[in-house]
Amino acid sequence: DIQMTQSPSVLSASVGDRVTLNCKASQNINKYLNWYQQKLGEAPKLLIYNTNNLQTGIPSRFSGSGSGTDFTLTISSLQPEDFATYFCFQHNSWPLTFGSGTKLEIK
Amino acid sequence: EVQLVESGGGLVQPGRSLKLSCVASGFTFSNYGMNWIRQAPGKGLEWVAYISSGSSYIYYAETVKGRFTISRDNAKNTLYLQMTSLRSEDTALYYCARHNSGFDYWGQGVMVTVSS
Repeated sequence: DIQMTQSPSVLSASVGDRVTLNCKASQNINKYLNWYQQKLGEAPKLLIYNTNNLQTGIPSRFSGSGSGTDFTLTISSLQPEDFATYFCFQHNSWPLTFGSGTKLEIK
Repeated sequence: EVQLVESGGGLVQPGRSLKLSCVASGFTFSNYGMNWIRQAPGKGLEWVAYISSGSSYIYYAETVKGRFTISRDNAKNTLYLQMTSLRSEDTALYYCARHNSGFDYWGQGVMVTVSS
C-alpha cells in the first residue's frame, strides 16, 4: 500500500499569511494527488485534483504543486474560513489512501 | 446540483450486519464509479470500497475485504454497502462519494456505531 505522510500535523498561522502544507508518498504516484479541506462536522471538500488543478468554485488563493512523491498545497493569503484540516489523497493505485491530515489553526 | 444522501446507519452489536444506502441525484449516476469512505470519531479518512459505473470492477480495503460488499442499482440511482461481521473498529461516519479524479462530491455521511 502507498503511505501518505503529511507535515506538519498542526500549523499555526495568521490571517493574511502564506502557508505551505506538505505531503509525501511512499512511492511514485505520478500526478494523482488530491487535496481536501474538512471543517468540523462537515464532509471533506475537494480543493485540488491531480496535483495542480483547482476544483470549480475553489478560490485561486489555493494552489498545488509537485510530482512523483512530493507534493505541496499553498494558500497564498489565509482567510478566516481557511482554518480547517487538510488531507492529501492518492488515487494512483489501489488501495486508495489518505494522509493523516494537517490541522491549520489560528495563531 | 449533485446530491448524495446516505442512510441506514445506527447502533449495532458486534458480529451483526447493517446495510447502508446512498441515493444520488443531479447527475447521471450510471456514468460514474462510486466509493464508500469512512472516518472514525476524531480520526482521519479511510477509503473503504469502490464500484465502477457498470459494476464490473470492485475494490475493497483490506480491513473490510470479505466482510463488506459494495453494490449499486443504476435504475434506482442508489449505491449500497452491506456490512457483515461488524467490529468495534468499524465504528465511523460513512460517506459515499462520486469517483471523478478521486472523489469530487461527497454525501454528508451516516454514522455507524458498533457496540454491545
